Amino acid sequence: KAGVTQTPRYLIKTRGQQVTLSCSPISGHRSVSWYQQTPGQGLQFLFEYFSETQRNKGNFPGRFSGRQFSNSRSEMNVSTLELGDSALYLCASSLGISVEKLFFGSGTQLSVL
Amino acid sequence: GEDVEQSLFLSVREGDSSVINCTYTDSSSTYLYWYKQEPGAGLQLLTYIFSNMDMKQDQRLTVLLNKKDKHLSLRIADTQTGDSAIYFCAESPNTGNQFYFGTGTSLTVIP
Repeated sequence: KAGVTQTPRYLIKTRGQQVTLSCSPISGHRSVSWYQQTPGQGLQFLFEYFSETQRNKGNFPGRFSGRQFSNSRSEMNVSTLELGDSALYLCASSLGISVEKLFFGSGTQLSVL
Repeated sequence: GEDVEQSLFLSVREGDSSVINCTYTDSSSTYLYWYKQEPGAGLQLLTYIFSNMDMKQDQRLTVLLNKKDKHLSLRIADTQTGDSAIYFCAESPNTGNQFYFGTGTSLTVIP
């Protein structure tokens, strides 16, 4: 069974640009969560989707948004990039209604110059 | 938010046991988790323990849970160089499907 797939693996952007990251969950998993990992702040929760609905959102500005498609694939978008958005963005999938176990992808390393 | 704390660094000799400690805050968490992250990779679920258990053993891994003190530990027996990584504990309170992760403990195994 394939794991969680995130694309692209690396991204370099400049301030003010926007970026879209993609995540394909494990087959059969319907919940997708996104986390931001930085050396200073550690792992911070961005949002979680289940059946195309955002169920929970972390404490991030509105520049961070996401969506989930009917096939459970998810995208997150960051608009008007800032230097502080440089981070490893991790997607995780979980089987169903309650998120009991998270399975992570390898992440997208975003660098904002 | 929740405050999950871990010590930052641990260094052990190959073949010794490693013990990584964690304190968490939310007693409502149904499960508590240990994840491993190798350089340049995502987080790998190592093991987890149900909150009404005191101990769980899985091959070289032993998880101990002290609910009264909100203390979780991960013991790795016969530590190998391939165990060098960052280890995160995590809790998931019963609301919001959100995990709270500790700061991570960087384990270095000395040959």
